[in-house]
Amino acid sequence: NAGVTQTPKFRVLKTGQSMTLLCAQDMNHEYMYWYRQDPGMGLRLIHYSVGEGTTAKGEVPDGYNVSRLKKQNFLLGLESAAPSQTSVYFCASSYEGAGTGELFFGEGSRLTVL
Amino acid sequence: KQEVTQIPAALSVPEGENLVLNCSFTDSAIYNLQWFRQDPGKGLTSLLLIQSSQREQTSGRLNASLDKSSGRSTLYIAASQPGDSATYLCAVSGNQFYFGTGTSLTVIP
Repeated sequence: NAGVTQTPKFRVLKTGQSMTLLCAQDMNHEYMYWYRQDPGMGLRLIHYSVGEGTTAKGEVPDGYNVSRLKKQNFLLGLESAAPSQTSVYFCASSYEGAGTGELFFGEGSRLTVL
Repeated sequence: KQEVTQIPAALSVPEGENLVLNCSFTDSAIYNLQWFRQDPGKGLTSLLLIQSSQREQTSGRLNASLDKSSGRSTLYIAASQPGDSATYLCAVSGNQFYFGTGTSLTVIP
């Protein structure tokens, strides 16, 4: 019972490099989310998706892009990484939206940008 | 914008003590409130979900209450154990989920 799986778990990038974080869920959830967690700032929503083929901006979307080509996968891309994007990234999913849904999280992806 | 606050930021208690963690929020128009546990270097694990129409939820030694009108929730942990040591976060849902910054709990053997 995998739940929400994130890859990679750790990554070190140089400024200006690009990368993609992959989130996969096997619970048939419609809603998927990408958050970043920084000390003292809590979890902040980057982008989210309310279903296959849809994406929307969250609180801190600048510098990130996302795609949801398949219902089970939600990709987060950094086109030109900056040191300010050093963070722990969490993917989450829910069967229903924020109105009634229960969130399930992945283990996180720790990204360092030098 | 919804603001979620958890005080204290850190708490240490001896094993066996009963304890209460607090979560407050500024906008009472929420759909539900969820409590999570986060171990160091790990993701968030859902502990309890309280729908806005409910007053409390219980799971084992955990009991969470919700008072929408006052913008408060508490997580009660009975007979604390060293294995309960972790960071506990609350999240409220409106048009999106809003998270507190958590309370780091240490249970001393």
